Amino acid sequence: GEDVEQSLFLSVREGDSSVINCTYTDSSSTYLYWYKQEPGAGLQLLTYIFSNMDMKQDQRLTVLLNKKDKHLSLRIADTQTGDSAIYFCAEMLGGYNKLIFGAGTRLAVHP
Amino acid sequence: NAGVTQTPKFQVLKTGQSMTLQCAQDMNHNSMYWYRQDPGMGLRLIYYSASEGTTDKGEVPNGYNVSRLNKREFSLRLESAAPSQTSVYFCAIGHSSSYEQYFGPGTRLTVT
Repeated sequence: GEDVEQSLFLSVREGDSSVINCTYTDSSSTYLYWYKQEPGAGLQLLTYIFSNMDMKQDQRLTVLLNKKDKHLSLRIADTQTGDSAIYFCAEMLGGYNKLIFGAGTRLAVHP
Repeated sequence: NAGVTQTPKFQVLKTGQSMTLQCAQDMNHNSMYWYRQDPGMGLRLIYYSASEGTTDKGEVPNGYNVSRLNKREFSLRLESAAPSQTSVYFCAIGHSSSYEQYFGPGTRLTVT
């Protein structure tokens, strides 16, 4: 079946690293995504990884994929107050690029 | 959200009223999607359109209809609004060759 799970809340100190975790159930997922949503705004595509990759790095963002365990993580280095937002994990299934989203992880960054 | 516009930004309806949410894109992408976002549930796909002239149901299509008017525009219609349709609605676009989806700013709908 199709299900994406994330923890609901994460609190980190400014300057520390944040790690947001996600598990998915469908082994046929082709791409996995991280989106960021700030209050009152739409979803911003942060990064995505193809299912045959283990890791992708993009500036402060590192995505790790463990396909055996169906586990995806997003690491944000040197977390800043501007990183406070809700982060959504999503998997792409089958034809026509349909996305299945997790419920989102609210990241709070405190001084 | 560049390239995807949604109107209106906010709407309040009474139960039983109808309305159409509009989405337009200027990125020349083939696929367009409508999602709804409810607290604690992430986004759920209502309908999608792989190309002009085609539409298909997503996870939660009941109570909605869609029209892919042309390549640029994809509208979502509520014929008889219900309080359960209170939500934030997002339009998204995608291109099969890039596997990226871009979202509009959303429409916040309240049905009383």
